[in-house]
Amino acid sequence: KAGVTQTPRYLIKTRGQQVTLSCSPISGHRSVSWYQQTPGQGLQFLFEYFSETQRNKGNFPGRFSGRQFSNSRSEMNVSTLELGDSALYLCASSLDPTEAFFGQGTRLTVV
Amino acid sequence: QQPVQSPQAVILREGEDAVINCSSSKALYSVHWYRQKHGEAPVFLMILLKGGEQKGHEKISASFNEKKQQSSLYLTASQLSYSGTYFCGTRNTGTASKLTFGTGTRLQVTL
Repeated sequence: KAGVTQTPRYLIKTRGQQVTLSCSPISGHRSVSWYQQTPGQGLQFLFEYFSETQRNKGNFPGRFSGRQFSNSRSEMNVSTLELGDSALYLCASSLDPTEAFFGQGTRLTVV
Repeated sequence: QQPVQSPQAVILREGEDAVINCSSSKALYSVHWYRQKHGEAPVFLMILLKGGEQKGHEKISASFNEKKQQSSLYLTASQLSYSGTYFCGTRNTGTASKLTFGTGTRLQVTL
C-alpha cells in the first residue's frame, strides 16, 4: 500500500515568488492536513481539507492557501514568499479522524 | 491552542525509563503520539480517546487523564531506536476538529 507522497522533495525559491506543493494521500483517505515544521516551533497546523472542502484552518496569513481535488490529492500554495517561509512542509492523510500518516515533506528554502 | 509538552529534551542511557507529558488548556477529545527521527516523517505511535484509557505497544504506553486534560507517554527499558523527537497531537472538540501538535520532546538514548 503506497504511503503519502509529497512533491517536490526540495525547493529553492526567491523572495517574492510563489510556490505550489503537492500531496497525494493514501488511497481511500479523504482528509489531508498540512503542517509547517521549523526548528523550535514544532508542527504548526496550516489547514485541513476533507472531501474537497476546507474543514479547519490555522493561524497563517492569507498568502498560504490550499485546495483538494476530487481524487483527494491536495495542493498548497504560498504567494509572495518571505525568508521566514523556509521550512519543512508536511502533509498528513487519514481515513477517518484517528491516526494520520505523514508524507516525507517538502523542504522549502527561500533565498 | 497548541498543547504543551514537557520536558523539552531528555537524555537516557539504554535500559532507563522516561515519561513525556502533554497538557492542554482546553478539553481534550483525543491525544495522538508520534515519533520523528531526524530527516524522516513523523510516525504514528498511538491514539487515546477521552475516557481515561491507557494504551500500550510493547515497551511504550500512554495514559490519558481527561479531567486534567493531560496525557503521558511512558517509555520503559529504552532502546537506542527510541531516540527521536516525540510529538503529542490533540483534537479538542471532536473528530472533525483540527489535530494540533506540541513543540516536541527530543529524546536521546545513549549506550
